[in-house]
Amino acid sequence: QVQLQESGPGLVKPSETLSLTCTVSGGSISSYYWSWIRQPPGKGLEWIGYIYYSGSTNYNPSLKSRVTISVDTSKNQFSLKLSSVTAADTAVYYCARVKTGAVAGSSLRKYYFDYWGQGTLVTVSS
Amino acid sequence: QSALTQPASVSGSPGQSITISCTGTSSDVGSYNLVSWYQQHPGKAPKLMIYEGSKRPSGVSNRFSGSKSGNTASLTISGLQAEDEADYYCCSYAGRVFGTGTKVTVL
Repeated sequence: QVQLQESGPGLVKPSETLSLTCTVSGGSISSYYWSWIRQPPGKGLEWIGYIYYSGSTNYNPSLKSRVTISVDTSKNQFSLKLSSVTAADTAVYYCARVKTGAVAGSSLRKYYFDYWGQGTLVTVSS
Repeated sequence: QSALTQPASVSGSPGQSITISCTGTSSDVGSYNLVSWYQQHPGKAPKLMIYEGSKRPSGVSNRFSGSKSGNTASLTISGLQAEDEADYYCCSYAGRVFGTGTKVTVL
């Protein structure tokens, strides 16, 4: 059974960089896409970005200028960095495994999230 | 891209069936029956309930079913149980846009 666990500081100061790591156990990080998703308190889910085990990435356009997602296959981990944070970045941050495949009859790909970490609350405050 | 539109709340009595809608556009929900649905209990991580529009992962009750008509995808919960009380989110086929979320209350 694949398990994901987020780790990192629970408190970050405004204007600084939020850094989180997701450790994958029970399976290899290879051959899959991995994602970060966040949820502000009392609000809905927001996709942050994907990374393929090879290192290719895709980010939410609204966060793209501030986001970096990286992968370390030797440690079975992937990481999130979000720069210049404000109080609006306060949220529970989840990591998730992505299942993907081709959409029949098109060049598009389909994605869904089949395994999730428990989530970690990051508060932005001085 | 804008969030997919869901009703804020849906309620039903035990044993009843309820349906949660997820409305997008012709370029996302309307194009393919590939929406995924997630259940989230308070303080917990989301759980995949339906993928590719109507498929259930192993271990998910067959009381949960997915469908699509036009630009609207739907999640139906039949034989409603107390444990179904949770928030539910749909997600577009590309996994980049979630729905606004629906709180399901079991009366």
